[in-house]
Amino acid sequence: GAVVSQHPSWVICKSGTSVKIECRSLDFQATTMFWYRQFPKQSLMLMATSNEGSKATYEQGVEKDKFLINHASLTLSTLTVTSAHPEDSSFYICSARDERGAYEQYFGPGTRLTVT
Amino acid sequence: GQQVMQIPQYQHVQEGEDFTTYCNSSTTLSNIQWYKQRPGGHPVFLIQLVKSGEVKKQKRLTFQFGEAKKNSSLHITATQTTDVGTYFCAGSNDYKLSFGAGTTVTVRA
Repeated sequence: GAVVSQHPSWVICKSGTSVKIECRSLDFQATTMFWYRQFPKQSLMLMATSNEGSKATYEQGVEKDKFLINHASLTLSTLTVTSAHPEDSSFYICSARDERGAYEQYFGPGTRLTVT
Repeated sequence: GQQVMQIPQYQHVQEGEDFTTYCNSSTTLSNIQWYKQRPGGHPVFLIQLVKSGEVKKQKRLTFQFGEAKKNSSLHITATQTTDVGTYFCAGSNDYKLSFGAGTTVTVRA
């Protein structure tokens, strides 16, 4: 149980275009999901907390107009990178909190974004 | 905000030896979690510690949570090649996780 999927697993896009990444909890409902980015050989940095039915909460320094988050259902959150630039190239990972448990989060397989 | 420091950043271990990775938080935590990320993979939940002074074991892995709930350690005994990867601690005071920098482990056969 507690499986989280992410789509796509990798994407290459041109500078100035937008990219949407989906995060799904497959066998549990998640009112709260999280979006992280990870640069090579670095740790995970929390970008935002996605709340079902309400606005996302962004971490300091993360542009909410650039990284649009929508959590329209209890099993799906999306992250849209708008007007992507090469510096947005990174590994984006989502996680979902299984509220049947305690505090643990389950991570998706990640999406590798390359902006050319 | 909350910061979690983790050392060492890299650990090169001879197969069969033991090693420990340490985490320290700038604030008291409600819980700490440990994750393992294999090269090219995503973090996989290992364990969570909630109680002050808690010790948990998973086969060759021993996890500890300090009395003050500000530090934690992961000790691996008799390292195997399957232990290769990056181990992250992640501290939490609510539902948000603050990740340490990770300890990347390589094993010499």
